[in-house]
Amino acid sequence: AQTVTQSQPEMSVQEAETVTLSCTYDTSESDYYLFWYKQPPSRQMILVIRQEAYKQQNATENRFSVNFQKAAKSFSLKISDSQLGDAAMYFCAYRTPASKTGANSKLTFGKGITLSVRP
Amino acid sequence: DVKVTQSSRYLVKRTGEKVFLECVQDMDHENMFWYRQDPGLGLRLIYFSYDVKMKEKGDIPEGYSVSREKKERFSLILESASTNQTSMYLCASSPRVRGRTEAFFGQGTRLTVV
Repeated sequence: AQTVTQSQPEMSVQEAETVTLSCTYDTSESDYYLFWYKQPPSRQMILVIRQEAYKQQNATENRFSVNFQKAAKSFSLKISDSQLGDAAMYFCAYRTPASKTGANSKLTFGKGITLSVRP
Repeated sequence: DVKVTQSSRYLVKRTGEKVFLECVQDMDHENMFWYRQDPGLGLRLIYFSYDVKMKEKGDIPEGYSVSREKKERFSLILESASTNQTSMYLCASSPRVRGRTEAFFGQGTRLTVV
């Protein structure tokens, strides 16, 4: 079974600084997707960034970028120029592509990390 | 925009009651999920449905059942609510299209069983 591990329960960053959130996963599959989701106090889960395993290039979305190390099964999120609005819980997630029937396409999450931003 | 709507944001039920949590999505997604979120445990998958009337057990299905009679609606049922089912419940949906597998979430239902 696939597992996703976020070993740091909490992190803190100074506003305008850069922070990296760690995630590792365990799988025997070669084709899969990885995600980072953000959950602010409003509880609404928001997709931050997505990475396809077959793509060697690291995904980037504005101030958010990932460091995807497939051999090491590592998928870290870097937030540059941190803003107060970045304070939230961040979840790393893993998913395999769906079979033709759609079965076996579960989305597995890590335990999350709480990021605080100091003004 | 994709919209996933959960019927209640807050719910208080008594031990032993049968509880229905409803989730509706408006984007014709094949996949729907029910998660439970607890502090320090992250999101744990309860059940997953990949088509109408089709379902798979997640990691913690005990004490729960689900129903998907229509594509847009996925219901989570607590047959006999217990205090250890007090939690935040999140519903999500996603398309079954290669390259677009991200899930879209509802706003969550905070259930308290007393």
